[in-house]
Amino acid sequence: EIVLTQSPATLSLSPGERATLSCTASQSVSSYLVWYQQKPGQAPRLLIHDASSRATDVPARFSGSGSGTDFTLTISSLEPEDFATYYCQQRSNWPPTFGQGTKVEIK
Amino acid sequence: EVQLLESGGGLVQPGGSLRLSCAASGFTFSNFAMSWVRQVPGKGLEWVSEISGRAGSTYYADSVKGRFTISRDNSKNTLFLQMNSLRAEDTAVYYCAKERWEITDGTFAIWGQGTMVTVSS
Repeated sequence: EIVLTQSPATLSLSPGERATLSCTASQSVSSYLVWYQQKPGQAPRLLIHDASSRATDVPARFSGSGSGTDFTLTISSLEPEDFATYYCQQRSNWPPTFGQGTKVEIK
Repeated sequence: EVQLLESGGGLVQPGGSLRLSCAASGFTFSNFAMSWVRQVPGKGLEWVSEISGRAGSTYYADSVKGRFTISRDNSKNTLFLQMNSLRAEDTAVYYCAKERWEITDGTFAIWGQGTMVTVSS
């Protein structure tokens, strides 16, 4: 199965700063890469599908890029509600697999 | 509004069984594939099983194959997960998730709030 490695494990930033989260796949997943946001006590929420397409109602400050094995989720200017854990997931090969998550915390 | 509401979780002994349900509303249920994804509290996400909209195709993670069965009742807008031969490592929050299309594509567009399953003696 494809292993997704997310870095860093924790990102400590202040509101208004730019967040850059990475996801690296153990083999090419083309553009079949998805990003989710999860807040404590809540279910995950779809943010980005197919590497760079924002889901419905996702603010424009969230953007995804990359293809093949290297992907990035960027939050251009952190809002208070963006402090959460972010997971990448590949749907290129069965079974679908997730990264271990990056926690974005308030500095 | 699209809503998914899981139920059926609880405490069960190793080797026991549970049946999870996920009641769907706000969309044409039969038009969408559905999945179960689980999460050990404080840990990451693991895909468990998925089923196409018309229930013609089902898929399972190796960790649950032969023990879990996914099914759906499109007339009642409900998804199920029958879990048998439960193990301690099955302890997790189980989420049902709506996919984007009738066929399975592995994009989990909408998630329920989850139901906790604890396997312990």
